[in-house]
Amino acid sequence: QLQLQESGPGLVKPSETLSLTCTVSGGSISSNNYYWGWIRQPPGKGLEWIGSIYYSGSTYYNPSLKSRVTISVDTSKNQFSLKLSSVTAADTAVYYCARQYYYDTSAYADPWGQGTLVTVSS
Amino acid sequence: QSVLTQPPSVSAAPGQKVTISCSGSNSNIGNNYVSWYQQLPGTAPKLLIYETNKRPSGIPDRFSGSKSGTSATLGITGLQTGDEADYYCGTWDSSLSAGVFGGGTKLTVL
Repeated sequence: QLQLQESGPGLVKPSETLSLTCTVSGGSISSNNYYWGWIRQPPGKGLEWIGSIYYSGSTYYNPSLKSRVTISVDTSKNQFSLKLSSVTAADTAVYYCARQYYYDTSAYADPWGQGTLVTVSS
Repeated sequence: QSVLTQPPSVSAAPGQKVTISCSGSNSNIGNNYVSWYQQLPGTAPKLLIYETNKRPSGIPDRFSGSKSGTSATLGITGLQTGDEADYYCGTWDSSLSAGVFGGGTKLTVL
């Protein structure tokens, strides 16, 4: 079945750029009606939607993070990536990648990766 | 501050029924389908309900979803201790052109 796996540094210094990659296995990232996205969860807090990308490169971003976020896709590697610039301690969170279904008025995320904790600290 | 509003916690006894509410606005719940996610301690969220009232394969019919206007509800019947988890509602916000979640509800099965 479809599986997603996040990878990247677990520690990032303040003001630097957080970079994560999600590898998709068991299916193609070039599927119709599916976006591929990132969601984060600060320790002990709720979920925050970061953004998502279609295999063609079309993107949606959370307006509150848009100025710092870039999501890209590499269909040849069946991967998509997240870059979050100028990070602060407030960006410390578990970052999840997930397949996101968007069609008409329907939107949901399934499945999710296991998540990776990224800590922002000097 | 989450776009969607959920109660921080709910509780009920084993075997009982519980409902979790999710309140939004016309730009999100009012005009889009709602999804619900279960997050067991230390694990990633899992899709529980999609398109307001549909269950993915493998999700028991003890879990149900409904919507009225700008509010949605998750219902869980026949509560089990294994249902203790955080539950999140989610949907698309057409004004923000972004996904949005509720702040989460912690379910305790007493």
